[in-house]
Amino acid sequence: NAGVTQTPKFQVLKTGQSMTLQCAQDMNHNSMYWYRQDPGMGLRLIYYSASEGTTDKGEVPNGYNVSRLNKREFSLRLESAAPSQTSVYFCASIRTSYETQYFGPGTRLLVL
Amino acid sequence: RKEVEQDPGPFNVPEGATVAFNCTYSNSASQSFFWYRQDCRKEPKLLMSVYSSGNEDGRFTAQLNRASQYISLLIRDSKLSDSATYLCVVLGNTDKLIFGTGTRLQVFP
Repeated sequence: NAGVTQTPKFQVLKTGQSMTLQCAQDMNHNSMYWYRQDPGMGLRLIYYSASEGTTDKGEVPNGYNVSRLNKREFSLRLESAAPSQTSVYFCASIRTSYETQYFGPGTRLLVL
Repeated sequence: RKEVEQDPGPFNVPEGATVAFNCTYSNSASQSFFWYRQDCRKEPKLLMSVYSSGNEDGRFTAQLNRASQYISLLIRDSKLSDSATYLCVVLGNTDKLIFGTGTRLQVFP
């Protein structure tokens, strides 16, 4: 039982490049989330998916797209990376709202 | 006003000390509350849920004051391994977790 996994762990992009961050969970959780964490800002929700086939915007969705490929996988895509998207990205999943949210180990992204 | 506010610290305390963190939240309709712990460059992990009656887990005690809209975390007999950032988390009325920016604790020998 691996929990929540994320790939890649680190990535350096040039401005304008695109990439997809992958997230998978093996806990049969319904809801999945993408956050970014910046110094002094705390965790901010980018997008979430309450169930397979649905996605909704969070607090900071601009510049990102997501896909809930199936119940296990939830990917985050940056179509045209900007330096302001330099951050640590965490994926998380949860079975129901009132239960523990489990986080992946994070992806550290640097956009030059 | 931020939905969840915490003192960023750092709180520097000696081993064996008792330390307390407070957190305030703005949405009076919030129903669930949590403390998460985050080690440097690692993912957040649930430390404990916070119940209306207060709850204790070993050296950790969490309290909720709905009238004043604040949550507290008390750590007794601090250990070096308690050094981390503690995140106050509130379940908002849209079923999404709202994270505070965290309070950094450094325990020294």
